[in-house]
Amino acid sequence: AQTVTQSQPEMSVQEAETVTLSCTYDTSESDYYLFWYKQPPSRQMILVIRQEAYKQQNATENRFSVNFQKAAKSFSLKISDSQLGDAAMYFCAYRSARWGGSEKLVFGKGTKLTVNP
Amino acid sequence: GAVVSQHPSWVICKSGTSVKIECRSLDFQATTMFWYRQFPKQSLMLMATSNEGSKATYEQGVEKDKFLINHASLTLSTLTVTSAHPEDSSFYICSASLNRRTRGNTIYFGEGSWLTVV
Repeated sequence: AQTVTQSQPEMSVQEAETVTLSCTYDTSESDYYLFWYKQPPSRQMILVIRQEAYKQQNATENRFSVNFQKAAKSFSLKISDSQLGDAAMYFCAYRSARWGGSEKLVFGKGTKLTVNP
Repeated sequence: GAVVSQHPSWVICKSGTSVKIECRSLDFQATTMFWYRQFPKQSLMLMATSNEGSKATYEQGVEKDKFLINHASLTLSTLTVTSAHPEDSSFYICSASLNRRTRGNTIYFGEGSWLTVV
């Protein structure tokens, strides 16, 4: 079974600075997707960024980028120019792409990000 | 982006009664829908996976008779908490999946529903 580990229960960053959230995962599959979701106090789950495992290029979405290291099974999220609105819980998630495999998301335990003004 | 709507956002019910939560995909057909429960300061716990027209697949430890899931159409899944008790009070959130090998390979979430059983 796949597992996702987020080793940082809490992180803090100063406004306008850069922060990196860590995520590692364990799988025997070669084809999969990785995601970062943001959950603000409203509890709405918001997709931040996704990465296809077959792509070597790291995904980027404006101020958000990932460092995807497939061999190391690492998928960290970098937030640049942090804003107060970035404060939230961040969840790393894995989804199999194998045909006939489980469609569910496997979540890490989350990292609570605080942005200090 | 794809939109998933969940209703109601908040519900209070008396102990022993049943309550239904709806999850709708508004602008796409969801082949698969998922139901999660989230305890305070914890991650999402998958309760069950439902595919349109077939029985839901429940995760280990989830009571099938207590948490009834119906996926009658490609745009609607419902979660019914039967004979609710205070310990069922929680945040429930649904999600819907686009076909993995076509549009976006992404799962989109509803807004969630707060259930309080008194």
